[in-house]
Parts: sequence; C-alpha cells; structure tokens
Amino acid sequence: AQSVTQLDSQVPVFEEAPVELRCNYSSSVSVYLFWYVQYPNQGLQLLLKYLSGSTLVESINGFEAEFNKSQTSFHLRKPSVHISDTAEYFCAVRPMNTGFQKLVFGTGTRLLVSP
Amino acid sequence: DTGVSQDPRHKITKRGQNVTFRCDPISEHNRLYWYRQTLGQGPEFLTYFQNEAQLEKSRLLSDRFSAERPKGSFSTLEIQRTEQGDSAMYLCASILGGTDTQYFGPGTRLTVL
Repeated sequence: AQSVTQLDSQVPVFEEAPVELRCNYSSSVSVYLFWYVQYPNQGLQLLLKYLSGSTLVESINGFEAEFNKSQTSFHLRKPSVHISDTAEYFCAVRPMNTGFQKLVFGTGTRLLVSP
Repeated sequence: DTGVSQDPRHKITKRGQNVTFRCDPISEHNRLYWYRQTLGQGPEFLTYFQNEAQLEKSRLLSDRFSAERPKGSFSTLEIQRTEQGDSAMYLCASILGGTDTQYFGPGTRLTVL
C-alpha cells in the first residue's frame, strides 16, 4: 500500500517570494509521483510528474519538483510566485509496473499568495 | 472542448433520495476512475473501469453505491438512499491505457441535507 503526507495544510506567501510545498510518501514498491493543482470550483490539473530519468522535473509555469528516493520526498518549489498561483496543490503516487493506475493522494496544501 | 465532462456540477438532495452522476471521458480513453473528495482531504479512489468492465472497487464503495460504464464510453455513479456522510465532490478521471496521466473532470458536488 502507498500513503502520501503533505504536512502543511496551508502556506501563505507574498507575491514574488519563493515557496516550497512539501510531500513525503511511503510505499513498499517503486512509484511514479505527481503534483496536481486544483483552482477554486475546478477539477484537478496535472502540474508535473516524475516517471524516471532526471530527478528534477519542471512545469511550464515555473514550478519544479525534485524526487529524492532516500528521503522518499517530492517537494514542489517555485522561485517567485504570482497571485494566480493561489490554489490547492495535491501530491500523488501510484505504483509502477501495474495496469491498475489508482492514484493515492495527500491531503493537499492550500497556497495563498497575497500582494 | 475534448476534456472530461461531468454532469451535474452541483446536486442538492434530501437524505434518503437516490442520485445519479454522469461522466463523459476523453473519447479515446479506455480507462475510467471515480474518486471522492471530502472537505480538507485529497481525492480517494472509489472504482475503476477498463472499457466496460468494472475491475476494482474500494471498500469506500458501500452497497448503496453502484457504477456502470455501458459500451465502454460514458459512466454513471448512482448513490441510493443518500446519507449526510455522502456529501462530497465526486471526481471522474480518464486515461488511455499504456500512458501515465489521468485527466480529471470538474467534479460533481453533492450536498445531502
């Protein structure tokens, strides 16, 4: 079984400040890792994913995440946030090498960006 | 728009009533997932279809819940004799087998009074 821990339920930051949203996971098998973003009254959108290869993955809107196998972490970072980044961010995992692709999500971190 | 769609977006019902939600996946996606998201929590897996076959069900899916995917296209999730604890956002996601990204619909928010 897998589990995902997002310790910070809410992270307030000022616009143009850097931010890190933490994600740790537990799994007895190798996993793929994902970050999804949920804007108010909308469904989840994929932000970025780690499947294999380089442990640093980037999104098109400036976010990046680094897979750390020894720390079982996949923290999300952005060097300078915008007001429009205000949303809920979910970290998720699913086992590799299985046709059953159920995602296991963390409880989410609400990013609040203020001017 | 060729994304995942869900209908209705909001549903308010009285305890004891039956409700049905619909999900239309991306047309070429053969796999479909239902998740439930309660306030302050991440989405939790409910059930999974590959084409028209329901292959996995969570223990969260009590006997009052039933899901179908006739002809491997759209899917419906029915809740019978709703309870206040059923109040949640119900999310549908679809994915093409062999790929790695699930695409989510906007969800149906259910409120049971």
